[in-house]
Amino acid sequence: QVQLVQSGAEVKKPGSWMRVSCKASGGTFSNYFLNWVRQAPGQGLEWMGEIIPMFGTTNYAQKFQDRVTMTLDESTATVYMELSSLSSEDTAIYFCAASPGSPRDYFEYWGQGTQVTVSP
Amino acid sequence: DIQMTQSPSTLSASVGDRVSITCRASQSISRWLAWYQQKPGEAPKLLIYEISTLENGVPSRFSGSGSETEFTLTISSLQPDDFATFYCQQYKTYPWTFGQGTKVEI
Repeated sequence: QVQLVQSGAEVKKPGSWMRVSCKASGGTFSNYFLNWVRQAPGQGLEWMGEIIPMFGTTNYAQKFQDRVTMTLDESTATVYMELSSLSSEDTAIYFCAASPGSPRDYFEYWGQGTQVTVSP
Repeated sequence: DIQMTQSPSTLSASVGDRVSITCRASQSISRWLAWYQQKPGEAPKLLIYEISTLENGVPSRFSGSGSETEFTLTISSLQPDDFATFYCQQYKTYPWTFGQGTKVEI
């Protein structure tokens, strides 16, 4: 059973950048793909990308390709998601989610979510 | 990108009802489909993967069916704890995409 604990809520200015962390425990970090999914207020779920600890590789949704970076710290089993050039449209809850890995790319475990508000 | 379309968007039902939610993919996704349940203020919870495989601990009143482009989530007898929003997700082709959600309400 993997537990994912995310960093706390943030308020950011337009044009700035954000970083959210997600610390994994209770499982073998390298056995999972770590994904980021966001949910704008009252909206559905949107996949942003994934990082694969075993290989240190990433796959990003094209929509975010130019301004998202996902990294990991294996020593602390923590993954990070940075998003730059923020606008009000980036106001959302950001979830990290672990999947067993290709082809089983469903999201088995979820973090509690991090509220990010982008406001002048 | 593969578009996932759920219907209905909202479903009004009563405890004990049998309810079904449909998810259509814009192209074949084979068996790579999952369903999630999300309650207000909570993270989504995985219910079903590979069309019909129940995640551990998910009640057997939930079932999934379908193939290729059309899929169904069925709750055989709706319980008070089931009132939530449900999402389908394809993991056949990047980027992984979700349906817009179906809210099941009283």
